[in-house]
Amino acid sequence: DTEVTQTPKHLVMGMTNKKSLKCEQHMGHRAMYWYKQKAKKPPELMFVYSYEKLSINESVPSRFSPECPNSSLLNLHLHALQPEDSALYLCASSQDSNEQFFGPGTRLTVL
Amino acid sequence: GQNIDQPTEMTATEGAIVQINCTYQTSGFNGLFWYQQHAGEAPTFLSYNVLDGLEEKGRFSSFLSRSKGYSYLLLKELQMKDSASYLCAVRGPGGYQKVTFGTGTKLQVIP
Repeated sequence: DTEVTQTPKHLVMGMTNKKSLKCEQHMGHRAMYWYKQKAKKPPELMFVYSYEKLSINESVPSRFSPECPNSSLLNLHLHALQPEDSALYLCASSQDSNEQFFGPGTRLTVL
Repeated sequence: GQNIDQPTEMTATEGAIVQINCTYQTSGFNGLFWYQQHAGEAPTFLSYNVLDGLEEKGRFSSFLSRSKGYSYLLLKELQMKDSASYLCAVRGPGGYQKVTFGTGTKLQVIP
């Protein structure tokens, strides 16, 4: 299994909703990432988990809350988002310092 | 901080060769990646350079000069399916997991 899966593919939510994005990989990678990508822009790093511990938080607002329940799973909990948070949210994983494998992303729309 | 520059758009003819340049400035360099991203899809890994020189992988080659803060991606025998954005990404200081993406070069291959 050499892929990263993400659910849902699309998500529409209101500003008062609470939702979660999910990411899974079975490649044995010990680092997992969340990126945000706006249209025609590059991916921007949000969070990194290494060995199930949060190792990087790129000053992301607290309305985004990451969670790593085990080495294969990564969640991103969303609460009280703003319309400007609408974007493609990409999950990735890597083994040590090697290349990152990206999931297909969740396209989020905040109304 | 890091500054990564790439041309915004390029056009090339099917069957031709195209070179996409990337220049970077970083306080600490630990490697450079090239990723391909088709519209609406996740980035996929193409190449990785950490030492000076040329890395060849099929139709794709990548070159790095650390002293000049410069890399290029060379695509040979262009095919229509190569129409995509090409992202240069630099691993700088802050741990091996911290990768910063350039703005990307949108390549259009024409018949």
